[in-house]
Parts: sequence; C-alpha cells; structure tokens
Amino acid sequence: AQSVTQLDSHVSVSEGTPVLLRCNYSSSYSPSLFWYVQHPNKGLQLLLKYTSAATLVKGINGFEAEFKKSETSFHLTKPSAHMSDAAEYFCVVSLYISGTYKYIFGTGTRLKVLA
Amino acid sequence: DTEVTQTPKHLVMGMTNKKSLKCEQHMGHRAMYWYKQKAKKPPELMFVYSYEKLSINESVPSRFSPECPNSSLLNLHLHALQPEDSALYLCASSQVSGGNQPQHFGDGTRLSIL
Repeated sequence: AQSVTQLDSHVSVSEGTPVLLRCNYSSSYSPSLFWYVQHPNKGLQLLLKYTSAATLVKGINGFEAEFKKSETSFHLTKPSAHMSDAAEYFCVVSLYISGTYKYIFGTGTRLKVLA
Repeated sequence: DTEVTQTPKHLVMGMTNKKSLKCEQHMGHRAMYWYKQKAKKPPELMFVYSYEKLSINESVPSRFSPECPNSSLLNLHLHALQPEDSALYLCASSQVSGGNQPQHFGDGTRLSIL
C-alpha cells in the first residue's frame, strides 16, 4: 500500500532559525512527491515537487526538500524561517488509480514561527 | 492570485436549499478534482474528472452531484445537505498526462449548513 506519514503535527521555530518538516512515504515504485502549503482560509499552494530528475529539489520561498530512497524520506527544509511561513504544510504522494492520478495526503504539520 | 477560480467564496444554506459551487481554470488542464476539507484535516478527495468524464467517485453521498460541462469548468450541485457537510470545498486541476504533474488548487468555498 502506498502512504505518506508526516512525523510532527506541530513544529515551532524562532524567526531566523532553520525549519525541518519531516515526511516519510511508502511506495512500491518510484513515487512522485509534493509539498504544499496552506495559509488560513486559502487553498493549497505548491512549494515543490520530486519527479526523479534530481534528489535535491528547490522550491519557492527558499524551501527545498531532499528525496532519500534508502530512508524513504522527503523532508522539507528552509535555512531561515520568516513570520510569513507560519501555515499548514502537507506532504503528498501521487498515485495512478482508475485511469487518473490521485493524491494521498499526509496529515499535515502546522508550523508556528515565533518572533 | 490562484489560476483556479472558485465561486462563491462563502455560502450559507439551509438543509432544504439547492445551490451550486463553481470552479474554472484556463490552463488547458484536462483533469479536475473536488475535495472536502474539514478544519485541521487534510483535503479528502470527492470526485475526479478526466477529459470531462467522471473517473473517480469516492463513495460520495448523492446529495453532492458533480458536473463538468466543458474542459474549463467544474460544478458541484448541492441539495438537502446535512450540518456535517459544513466544510471548505476545494477545486483543483492538473495535466492528465503524468503523475508528476502537480495539482493546482483554488482558494475554496467555505460552506456552512444551518
């Protein structure tokens, strides 16, 4: 079975310090993986995607993620948190089902940034 | 600004009302999705349309009726909803061609059932 696990439901960091949001996946084949961010009362915005071209993926707003097959992980990082990064973050794996692609979402990590 | 536009942004309706949610995209995407999102939870897939045909229905109650009139437009018709249907309803679209094509989300319709 394919799935995705976000290891922390809440993460708090101080402004200017590094961010690490953890995600592990299980898949019987090389997956397509995504990170999305959701600010309050907004839709989901794509931060970055992994599609097997490169293991280190750079996204928007200074975020990046590294695909580690041996650890089945796809953790999201940012060197220096900004107040505007406070939001909910979802790790997602894409699966091919019934002739189309379907997202499997992690349960989400709420990032709090302290001044 | 998002490339997927949802209207209305907010909707309050009684349990006997009939209303519709609308979603529009002009990116040439051929897959469109409806999700339901409760507070502090990830989105739950409801329906998927691929080339204007319904390809996935996640056992959604018949009081929700999707429609895809053309490749740019997706509707969700609502009738006789229950209070537990109150949620954020998100629309998304993607290229059909590959799993590495990301879904693009609208900002949603916040639905409240009285």
